[in-house]
Formats: sequence, C-alpha cells, structure tokens
Amino acid sequence: SQTIHQWPATLVQPVGSPLSLECTVEGTSNPNLYWYRQAAGRGLQLLFYSVGIGQISSEVPQNLSASRPQDRQFILSSKKLLLSDSGFYLCAWSVLNFGGEAFFGQGTRLTVV
Amino acid sequence: AQSVTQLDSQVPVFEEAPVELRCNYSSSVSVYLFWYVQYPNQGLQLLLKYLSGSTLVESINGFEAEFNKSQTSFHLRKPSVHISDTAEYFCAVSRSNDYKLSFGAGTTVTVRA
Repeated sequence: SQTIHQWPATLVQPVGSPLSLECTVEGTSNPNLYWYRQAAGRGLQLLFYSVGIGQISSEVPQNLSASRPQDRQFILSSKKLLLSDSGFYLCAWSVLNFGGEAFFGQGTRLTVV
Repeated sequence: AQSVTQLDSQVPVFEEAPVELRCNYSSSVSVYLFWYVQYPNQGLQLLLKYLSGSTLVESINGFEAEFNKSQTSFHLRKPSVHISDTAEYFCAVSRSNDYKLSFGAGTTVTVRA
C-alpha cells in the first residue's frame, strides 16, 4: 500500500535559522510531489511541485526552496527563516493511474519565533 | 496561469436543507477537477473527482458535482445536509499536461439543527 511520511509534526525555530522539512512516499513510483502551506481563509497555497527527480516548479517567490534528490523524497528548505514563514505545511503526492487523487501527509506546524 | 475561485467563504445551512458550493477555474489546458473535504481537526480527504466521461459525478455520501466546460465551473451540491457535513470544502484543479494541482481558498459549511 502507499503511504506518505512527513516530519516533524511540529517545529519551533528562531528567526534566521535554517529549515529542512522532509517528505517521503512509499509504495508507488514516479509520483508527482507537492508542498503546500495552509492558512485559515486562504486555502492551500501551492509552494512547489515536482513531476520527477530534480524537476522543481516554484509557484510563489519567497524565502523557501525545494529539492527532490530521490524519486520519492521531497524536501522543503530555507537558509534563513522569517517570522512570516510560520504556518502549516503539507506534503502531498499523486499519480494519474490512481485517478489523479492527491494524498496528503499529516502536516508540519512551523512556528518561527 | 491557472486559478481556482470558490465564491463563498462561509455557508451556513439548516439540517436537511440543500446546499451548493460554487467553484470556478481558469486554465489554458484541459484539467482534472476535485472536491476535497476537511473535517475539524482532520486531514484532507477526497470527496469526488472528474477526470473524463460523464460530467456529473457523485460521492458515496450524497454529494454530487457537475463539470461545465463552457462556464469553467465544478459546483458541488447536496440535496439534504446533515450535521456531520459540517466541514471545510476545497475545490482543486489539476492540469492534464504537468499535473500542477491548485486549490481554492475553501468554503466553510456549518450545518445547524
């Protein structure tokens, strides 16, 4: 069966510190991978998506970057966090032969202090 | 550019009354369409989807949505709601060429007795 792991669940980081959130998918090959930020009243804001290793599309210019070093691994990073980076981050995957449905991780609540 | 607009941010409704949640999208390529539901303190779950074929799709719990290509809409309806339908509902659109998956801002449905 297919599973998605996202960690950590919660994170408190000081302003100016680096960030690395990791997401891994099991049980499927060549998934489409996504990073979203969810904020109340703003839905899910697409940050990055990837259709293959090393292929990253950035949707919102900001203080974050993403990488896909392996087929089923997607990493969200920052060199220096800002207060405005606080939020709830969700990783998701999809493949067309599963009907294109996106499956979400449990999310990471990031608080920058 | 691709965008998803949910026209109502909050929809209060009485139990057993009908409800309609509106979703419009814009895209330069053909799309797949989804409705997701997020119950309080839970993750996102797929409610229903349109990939191809019949433009009217149904979920197992009584929701239905109709794809209208000319109006670029995918409105969600239920003829009689229950208290348990209280949740946030998200419309999502995936481009058929690169699987970019974008979400609307969400509609909060509150069902009252």
